[in-house]
Formats: sequence, structure tokens, C-alpha cells
Amino acid sequence: KAGVTQTPRYLIKTRGQQVTLSCSPISGHRSVSWYQQTPGQGLQFLFEYFSETQRNKGNFPGRFSGRQFSNSRSEMNVSTLELGDSALYLCASRETGSYQETQYFGPGTRLLVL
Amino acid sequence: DAKTTQPPSMDCAEGRAANLPCNHSTISGNEYVYWYRQIHSQGPQYIIHGLKNNETNEMASLIITEDRKSSTLILPHATLRDTAVYYCIVNPRTGNQFYFGTGTSLTVIP
Repeated sequence: KAGVTQTPRYLIKTRGQQVTLSCSPISGHRSVSWYQQTPGQGLQFLFEYFSETQRNKGNFPGRFSGRQFSNSRSEMNVSTLELGDSALYLCASRETGSYQETQYFGPGTRLLVL
Repeated sequence: DAKTTQPPSMDCAEGRAANLPCNHSTISGNEYVYWYRQIHSQGPQYIIHGLKNNETNEMASLIITEDRKSSTLILPHATLRDTAVYYCIVNPRTGNQFYFGTGTSLTVIP
């Protein structure tokens, strides 16, 4: 099976703009989680989607949002970008989102905000 | 949710076994221990996981103590390509999210 794919891989934006990142999970996986990784904060959970519904949410401001489509593909959006949003954004998928399942990560999208 | 404690860095000679320890003293009965590694800002790569028994796959072995309060990841014959940050994670039963700590930065030395 193909792994988790993320597009784009690299992105440069300026403060105040908005950005949309895309994640395609492993075929058959219905749960998609998003994480932000920065040098200062490490890897932090953003949110999880399952069957087009947000099931869990981390401690991030409302500027960070996401959605999931019927084919399980997911997008996350960051509005009004700030310099501190520069990070590696990772998505991970698993079959149903049960805690007993392994999460598989994509390669990430590196976002630079200028 | 159980937190994990790992040494910040370790070195290992190429060809030798790398033993990476992890403490998870507050782990609950049905929580799994997962190990991932991240090579130079790529996506974390799944290595192995276990509940109570020791586990082995083509990449590594996982030794979990009988009281489940700690575990050790063993890379039997470390290569330069094993240089990475290794994360030990206790998979929580609620919330469905992984809490990544700071991990152990393993450097394999030629």
C-alpha cells in the first residue's frame, strides 16, 4: 500500500495570509491526525478527524482548522498566519483511530512564514 | 496520560547494539508502548510497539519490564542510517493522540 502523502512538501507564506495543507491517508484508513513540530515546542497534536468529524482537538487557537472528506482525505487550514506558525506539519493515519492501532506518519509539509 | 522519560542523547558505535531506555512509570494496564524515530525532520517512522511481552521485528526488539514501568528499544546492529531522534510514546486510551516528548538523539559513530 502507498503510505501517507502530504502536499505540498514546502511552502512559503507571509504574515496575515492563510494556507491549506493536504493529507491523503493510507488506503482504508479512516482516521487522520495532524501534528505541528517546532524546535521550541516539539511535536504537538492539533486535531484528529474520523469519518468526516473532528473527534479530538489539541490546544491550538481557532486559526487552526481542518476538515475531512468522504474519501478520508484531510485538509488543515491556518488563517492569519503568524511568524510562529513556521513549522513542520505532519499528518498521521490509522484504520479506525482506536488507541490500539499504530499511527503512520506522512513526510510532512514544511511551512515558512515570513 | 502516561508520560515518558528518555535520555536526551546517546552514542553508539557502528555495528554494535544500541540500547535506548525509556521510563513510563505511570503507564496504565492497557496502554501500549510505541517507538518511533525521526530522521532529520522527516515524518516519524514507526518502529515497534508492545503491551506486556517482549517484541521483535525486522527493525528492532522491544523489552518491557515485568512491572511495565520501563522499556528498552534494541537496535541489534546499528548503522549510520540509524542516526535519528527516537521517541518512546505511551499510547493513551483516551484522546487518540500521541504525546511526543523530547526523545533520545542517537548518533551512530563510524
